[in-house]
Amino acid sequence: GAGVSQSPSNKVTEKGKDVELRCDPISGHTALYWYRQRLGQGLEFLIYFQGNSAPDKSGLPSDRFSAERTGESVSTLTIQRTQQEDSAVYLCASSLYSGGAGELFFGEGSRLTVL
Amino acid sequence: TQLLEQSPQFLSIQEGENLTVYCNSSSVFSSLQWYRQEPGEGPVLLVTVVTGGEVKKLKRLTFQFGDARKDSSLHITAAQPGDTGLYLCAARGGSGGSNYKLTFGKGTLLTVNP
Repeated sequence: GAGVSQSPSNKVTEKGKDVELRCDPISGHTALYWYRQRLGQGLEFLIYFQGNSAPDKSGLPSDRFSAERTGESVSTLTIQRTQQEDSAVYLCASSLYSGGAGELFFGEGSRLTVL
Repeated sequence: TQLLEQSPQFLSIQEGENLTVYCNSSSVFSSLQWYRQEPGEGPVLLVTVVTGGEVKKLKRLTFQFGDARKDSSLHITAAQPGDTGLYLCAARGGSGGSNYKLTFGKGTLLTVNP
């Protein structure tokens, strides 16, 4: 079975443009997470989806950031009016279980560079 | 906000040496995980610990969860160049935390030189 798939793997954009990042989780995984990783840093939680429940958006850094997920399938993270500080690797992960000691399976990330 | 402090931030050693990296917090966690991340890839789970005082071994890697479930350590024996990577601890629960949100430390970047 395929792992978590993210696209694009690399994106270079100009300041002020909108970008959309896509995540295709492992089939059957109900939980989906987005994290941001700046150069040399750990992972910063952005948003969490669990089935049809309301997402936990508490980690989104500003209203320029939004994310959607249709059911238990693909998720998209949208950044509007990108700024240079948005440059980072955006990692998506999925999990079979939402809590306890469940393992997160990560994609390879989408590297965003804002010029 | 719960914080996971990892130390050291950087570690460069020779092949064959032993090392220990630490993950500390003032919060009590329901579970703690260690992940390893290689350049250009996402983190991959190494181990999960859930019981205070628990020790788990994975070949040359030994993981320990503190008795109070606030801290953890990772010890590598006879390090090899293939151990090179960013080691991240991550935890659920804790004060102000949730049972599903996994909070990560900033990681220890380990380089093992041949």
